[in-house]
Amino acid sequence: DVKVTQSSRYLVKRTGEKVFLECVQDMDHENMFWYRQDPGLGLRLIYFSYDVKMKEKGDIPEGYSVSREKKERFSLILESASTNQTSMYLCASSVPGQGVYEQYFGPGTRLTVT
Amino acid sequence: GIQVEQSPPDLILQEGANSTLRCNFSDSVNNLQWFHQNPWGQLINLFYIPSGTKQNGRLSATTVATERYSLLYISSSQTTDSGVYFCAVNASGGSYIPTFGRGTSLIVHP
Repeated sequence: DVKVTQSSRYLVKRTGEKVFLECVQDMDHENMFWYRQDPGLGLRLIYFSYDVKMKEKGDIPEGYSVSREKKERFSLILESASTNQTSMYLCASSVPGQGVYEQYFGPGTRLTVT
Repeated sequence: GIQVEQSPPDLILQEGANSTLRCNFSDSVNNLQWFHQNPWGQLINLFYIPSGTKQNGRLSATTVATERYSLLYISSSQTTDSGVYFCAVNASGGSYIPTFGRGTSLIVHP
């Protein structure tokens, strides 16, 4: 079974702090994603990575950066957390192969910035 | 880009009732998934179904790609079926990035 894990289920940080959200997958997937989910706004893509050290901006990259130094790990970084980044953060991975892009999600991190 | 619409947006059922959730998409797709987001926020894979019909217990799904829709059937609903159901598609042409619908929020009362 594919397993995607995230470093924290709940996180509380102060405004201005640097925040790291970690995501690890154990199935050798090339593609990894970071989304945020807010009430009424659905899932919005922050960043996407299709290989080690490769990344692409999603729909809402402002205020975020990412790091992918190893294939299994994709980190989301909030350089200076703000209250409007309070949200549910979801990581996912998928493998591109013959047109199959089945996606698997981690349990999510509920981040509160005070 | 491709548009994905899910209906109904909200659904309230009594335990034991059946329901049908719909996902319409505006262009050709080569991938389609149904997810259930549980009360703790995790998205659980239900079906990977770019075409055809699949069944898993009380849940089944049908995708008619030529008519650009997919249906998720829930029979004999249980309170544990409560949550939000999402449809996600990858447009034909090889996009790695899926497009999600806004979801159907289901509440099943005992």
